[in-house]
Amino acid sequence: DVKVTQSSRYLVKRTGEKVFLECVQDMDHENMFWYRQDPGLGLRLIYFSYDVKMKEKGDIPEGYSVSREKKERFSLILESASTNQTSMYLCASSLTGGGGSNSPLHFGNGTRLTVT
Amino acid sequence: GQQLNQSPQSMFIQEGEDVSMNCTSSSIFNTWLWYKQDPGEGPVLLIALYKAGELTSNGRLTAQFGITRKDSFLNISASIPSDVGIYFCAGPDNYGQNFVFGPGTRLSVLP
Repeated sequence: DVKVTQSSRYLVKRTGEKVFLECVQDMDHENMFWYRQDPGLGLRLIYFSYDVKMKEKGDIPEGYSVSREKKERFSLILESASTNQTSMYLCASSLTGGGGSNSPLHFGNGTRLTVT
Repeated sequence: GQQLNQSPQSMFIQEGEDVSMNCTSSSIFNTWLWYKQDPGEGPVLLIALYKAGELTSNGRLTAQFGITRKDSFLNISASIPSDVGIYFCAGPDNYGQNFVFGPGTRLSVLP
């Protein structure tokens, strides 16, 4: 089974702090994604990466950056956390491009971030 | 852009009943994915469909890829309390890199 592991289930940070969310997948997947999920807004794509050191902006990249130094690891960085970044953050990975044969998206368990 | 709609938005059923929900789009999808999300957890992949007309089962769950490629259905038979959660459909976007998600169907099972 594919395993996507997010380093923290719950985080509480202060406004202005730099925050790192880590994600590791164990199935040699090419693509990795970071989403945030908010009530009434569904899943929104922040950034994705289709290869090591490659990154692409999603729908809501402002206030975030990412790093993919190794294929299995994709980090989301909040440069200066703000209260409107309080949310559930979900990391996901897929073998190749979106939804092609044998390439569904697999999610981690999520990180609930609260910024006070 | 591409959008997925799900109906119903929410449903309350008695334990033991069968459940049916669907996902529709105005555009064609080549893959349909169904996920379940429990409160406070990440979505878990239930079923993946890759071919129009395909009918796939996973235990008490059965999903179908619509012939028009613009819809998909998920059925749950003999519901149990642990079926409670939000069910999402998803599919690849036109560029094949990312995914489009439906808003979800929230299922509640009454004992």
